[in-house]
Amino acid sequence: QKEVEQDPGPLSVPEGAIVSLNCTYSNSAFQYFMWYRQYSRKGPELLMYTYSSGNKEDGRFTAQVDKSSKYISLFIRDSQPSDSATYLCATVFQGAQKLVFGQGTRLTINP
Amino acid sequence: GAVVSQHPSRVICKSGTSVKIECRSLDFQATTMFWYRQFPKQSLMLMATSNEGSKATYEQGVEKDKFLINHASLTLSTLTVTSAHPEDSSFYICSAPSGKDTQYFGPGTRLTVL
Repeated sequence: QKEVEQDPGPLSVPEGAIVSLNCTYSNSAFQYFMWYRQYSRKGPELLMYTYSSGNKEDGRFTAQVDKSSKYISLFIRDSQPSDSATYLCATVFQGAQKLVFGQGTRLTINP
Repeated sequence: GAVVSQHPSRVICKSGTSVKIECRSLDFQATTMFWYRQFPKQSLMLMATSNEGSKATYEQGVEKDKFLINHASLTLSTLTVTSAHPEDSSFYICSAPSGKDTQYFGPGTRLTVL
C-alpha cells in the first residue's frame, strides 16, 4: 500500500464547475499537508499548506483535512481553463523535510 | 513564496557525456535541498537529499556514482549526471525547504540524452 493514494484521473470538467481532488494517507504520524499544482514541463508550485483538521481557504481554493479518516481534499471553485494542470497532494512528518507525494491528478477545465 | 531557480532549463547531450544541473535558492538559505526526477505523466521520484557541508543521502536504487551531488553553499546544490545514457533522459527538479515544513520547487531541467 502506498503511503499516499491519489486518483491519477484524468479528470475533465466544464469551466465554472466545482472541482474536488482527494487523497488518502496511511500513516497517522503525518502532520503537515500540501497541495502543489504542476503545469506541463514546469516545476510544482505550492498552492496550499495546512497542518490541522478543518478547512483552509485561499481565493477560489479550499484545502480540507480530516485527520480522523486520513483524508485530504482540495476544492476549486469557479474553475477556469488556466486551472488545467496536474495537482499533487503531499505530506510530511513533523520535524522531517522529506515530502511524500501522491501520484498526482491530471485536471482539464474545458471552456 | 520563496524562489528556487534551476539552470539550465533544458539540455541535450550525447550519450557518454556528463551534464551538470544547478539548483539555487534565491532569497533564502537552504542547508538541505532535494533532487527529484519525473517521467512523463508520473509523479515525482525523490532521488537524493543534498546536505550542505556533508555527503548527499541517496534513495534506494539511485546510483550515487552516476548522480553526483555537491552542495557547495547554503544557496547552491548541483547534480551531475555522469556518463549519461538515453535512459537518463527525464525531467529533473530540485526543491528546498523554506520555513516550517514547506518546500519550494525549481522550474525543472529537461535532460535529453541522444
